[in-house]
Amino acid sequence: EAQVTQNPRYLITVTGKKLTVTCSQNMNHEYMSWYRQDPGLGLRQIYYSMNVEVTDKGDVPEGYKVSRKEKRNFPLILESPSPNQTSLYFCASSLGLAGGYNEQFFGPGTRLTVL
Amino acid sequence: QKEVEQDPGPLSVPEGAIVSLNCTYSNSAFQYFMWYRQYSRKGPELLMYTYSSGNKEDGRFTAQVDKSSKYISLFIRDSQPSDSATYLCAMSKAGTALIFGKGTTLSVSS
Repeated sequence: EAQVTQNPRYLITVTGKKLTVTCSQNMNHEYMSWYRQDPGLGLRQIYYSMNVEVTDKGDVPEGYKVSRKEKRNFPLILESPSPNQTSLYFCASSLGLAGGYNEQFFGPGTRLTVL
Repeated sequence: QKEVEQDPGPLSVPEGAIVSLNCTYSNSAFQYFMWYRQYSRKGPELLMYTYSSGNKEDGRFTAQVDKSSKYISLFIRDSQPSDSATYLCAMSKAGTALIFGKGTTLSVSS
């Protein structure tokens, strides 16, 4: 089944404790992206990757890191989480941006709470 | 002015009603328009896609794009309780990432 998987689905942690949220897709997509979704603010892009070893900042990159060493994986790293990073996080992937049509396939989401 | 504006609702309608969801945008270069549906505790899923102006129909759903007014709409006919979800508009120009609206939460009561 074609899908984007994220782990963990739920995470409660404390301020300053480094964490990684994994994201993997099995559709051979070149483009991958991380979003956070907050009430009243909608989906905001954190980082994206056009292909392996190519990453770039989205709208809200502060406090996050990413890496794209393999095509299928795009982990999101919070080196020192803070309470304002409490949110619902989505990973997404698509074939790419060339040509314009860019249906993004979303993972199930990771609900993160930072105490 | 934000690039994409969408009324967050919430919108509550009885079963069978016709629902109209709307977004406005400011960037006239947008060419690709999408509607995503997001059920509670799930990721968004593509519902409708339209290129440039015009209408597109898929069952009970109709997407309209009016580029002259920078306005897009999603109509749901004979709404069902299973349509209860958050609907996000999204749009882009060639070669760029999607820009999402904030989403409208719809509740259809039986």
